[in-house]
Amino acid sequence: EAGVAQSPRYKIIEKRQSVAFWCNPISGHATLYWYQQILGQGPKLLIQFQNNGVVDDSQLPKDRFSAERLKGVDSTLKIQPAKLEDSAVYLCASSLVGRGEGQFFGPGTRLTVL
Amino acid sequence: GENVEQHPSTLSVQEGDSAVIKCTYSDSASNYFPWYKQELGKRPQLIIDIRSNVGEKKDQRIAVTLNKTAKHFSLHITETQPEDSAVYFCAAGGAGNKLTFGGGTRVLVKP
Repeated sequence: EAGVAQSPRYKIIEKRQSVAFWCNPISGHATLYWYQQILGQGPKLLIQFQNNGVVDDSQLPKDRFSAERLKGVDSTLKIQPAKLEDSAVYLCASSLVGRGEGQFFGPGTRLTVL
Repeated sequence: GENVEQHPSTLSVQEGDSAVIKCTYSDSASNYFPWYKQELGKRPQLIIDIRSNVGEKKDQRIAVTLNKTAKHFSLHITETQPEDSAVYFCAAGGAGNKLTFGGGTRVLVKP
């Protein structure tokens, strides 16, 4: 079974620039999650989709972060404009059922904001 | 919202010894408790999980125990091996069906 795919794997940008990350979940997984993992910390949920609808985005900084999941499969996460504190690994995960259980993570995108 | 505390932050053990990591959570509605292992530069990998209707679960050298009354759960690794060296994260699945992660425990197994 193919795992969760993410791209790019690494991205370096200047502050105030914009950046986008892409995620392709495991086939058939209805629930998709975006996490932010700052160095030395546990992943923090940014947004959760069930099919193409948002279930939880309470920790998403909506003034600069946006995410969409068109057609209930692939998803993109965008940051505009980026700040220094956005430097982190952005992890995408997916699960078969919408209860947070059995989440499988992608390799992540390491973002460095200079 | 849910808050998960994880201890210790670092743990050094001799190969062959046991390692224990403890987590506490705040939301009594949480009913799902997974553990993830993350090697340097790699993705978190689910290694074991437990649901609130079970007190203990084992899978070879790893086991997880849950005390719902005290709102804490623990990961036990027996007969540790160098390949067990990694960062381990606990998490709690609370209301709203999202996971809240602990801060992580860096485990170093010394040969």
